[in-house]
Amino acid sequence: DTGVSQNPRHKITKRGQNVTFRCDPISEHNRLYWYRQTLGQGPEFLTYFQNEAQLEKSRLLSDRFSAERPKGSFSTLEIQRTEQGDSAMYLCASSLKGQHYEQYFGPGTRLTVT
Amino acid sequence: QQQVKQSPQSLIVQKGGISIINCAYENTAFDYFPWYQQFPGKGPALLIAIRPDVSEKKEGRFTISFNKSAKQFSLHIMDSQPGDSATYFCAASTATGGSYIPTFGRGTSLIVHP
Repeated sequence: DTGVSQNPRHKITKRGQNVTFRCDPISEHNRLYWYRQTLGQGPEFLTYFQNEAQLEKSRLLSDRFSAERPKGSFSTLEIQRTEQGDSAMYLCASSLKGQHYEQYFGPGTRLTVT
Repeated sequence: QQQVKQSPQSLIVQKGGISIINCAYENTAFDYFPWYQQFPGKGPALLIAIRPDVSEKKEGRFTISFNKSAKQFSLHIMDSQPGDSATYFCAASTATGGSYIPTFGRGTSLIVHP
């Protein structure tokens, strides 16, 4: 399967704990995006990378959130000191140079903060 | 401020019927209008998209109608099938800055009864 993959698919954590999610984009896609989706809402943009450079961050990305794409391939999204309001589906997407209007989404990581 | 408004929130149609989902946008800089289909437990998948230089685009049973002056666009699903039951999101993005970050509507849950 050459689609976008995300791990883990589900994560349950206690409030105050740190969590880290991983996204592996489609190979040769130079852009990678992170979104958050809550129940009954569309995905909301968090941040995106072009190769290893983080080019844009949303206001939704508080100081407790950090994302990396160290070698321009996979990316990690870390949430520190999780809060119940962080409970959501975290989606990763990637796009190919010259076709960035077409984003391919992964299956998401469902985070539940108890 | 919700930049893309989507309606209805839910829709039930009979097999073989026509499903119609409407979206309206505010930002006149938007120049790419995709529709995504999302099944439970999956990430959104690009279904069909349109640019504002055309008023209609058809791909199989799926048609986008676009009204630039009214800042509205809609998805029509002809001969709706039970397998079309999913959540549909409209979105809008702009090439400004080259980012093409989509703003999503809140989604429409479509149920097609056999």
